[in-house]
Amino acid sequence: EAQVTQNPRYLITVTGKKLTVTCSQNMNHEYMSWYRQDPGLGLRQIYYSMNVEVTDKGDVPEGYKVSRKEKRNFPLILESPSPNQTSLYFCASTTGPPYGKLFFGSGTQLSVL
Amino acid sequence: DQQVKQNSPSLSVQEGRISILNCDYTNSMFDYFLWYKKYPAEGPTFLISISSIKDKNEDGRFTVFLNKSAKHLSLHIVPSQPGDSAVYFCAASAPGTYKYIFGTGTRLKVLA
Repeated sequence: EAQVTQNPRYLITVTGKKLTVTCSQNMNHEYMSWYRQDPGLGLRQIYYSMNVEVTDKGDVPEGYKVSRKEKRNFPLILESPSPNQTSLYFCASTTGPPYGKLFFGSGTQLSVL
Repeated sequence: DQQVKQNSPSLSVQEGRISILNCDYTNSMFDYFLWYKKYPAEGPTFLISISSIKDKNEDGRFTVFLNKSAKHLSLHIVPSQPGDSAVYFCAASAPGTYKYIFGTGTRLKVLA
């Protein structure tokens, strides 16, 4: 089954404790991206990757890092999480913008205390 | 600067009637538009899309209309069903930008 898999689904952590949210896709997509969803703000792009070893900032990259060492994996790293990073995070992939459909993972609800 | 706007945070419609969800955009370079549906505790799922070379695209009960001169698109759901109750996001992309810009979403509630 074609899918984007994120882990974990839920995560509670404390300020400053480094964490990684994993994302993997099995569709051989070149393009992957991370979004965060906040009430009243919709889905905002954090980082995206056009291919292996090629990443770029989205609209809200501050406080986040990503890496793309393999085509299928695109982890999101929070080196020193802060409470304003409490949010619902989604990973997505597609054959490529602008005309590809984005496929989303099920989401990771992160709470930073 | 919100390039894609969904000005109605919520909408309630009676089962069997038409649901119309609206989306406005400001960037004239956008040439591909998508609608996504999102249920609680799930990721957004693709619903329907339209290219700027068209003004209408249909898929079953779902039709998307694009008015380029007004920079406006709408999603029509006919007839609406209780299972359509969800949050709907519109999104847009432009050539060469490697980005999809999403609106803030509209929560649709279909009343049985």
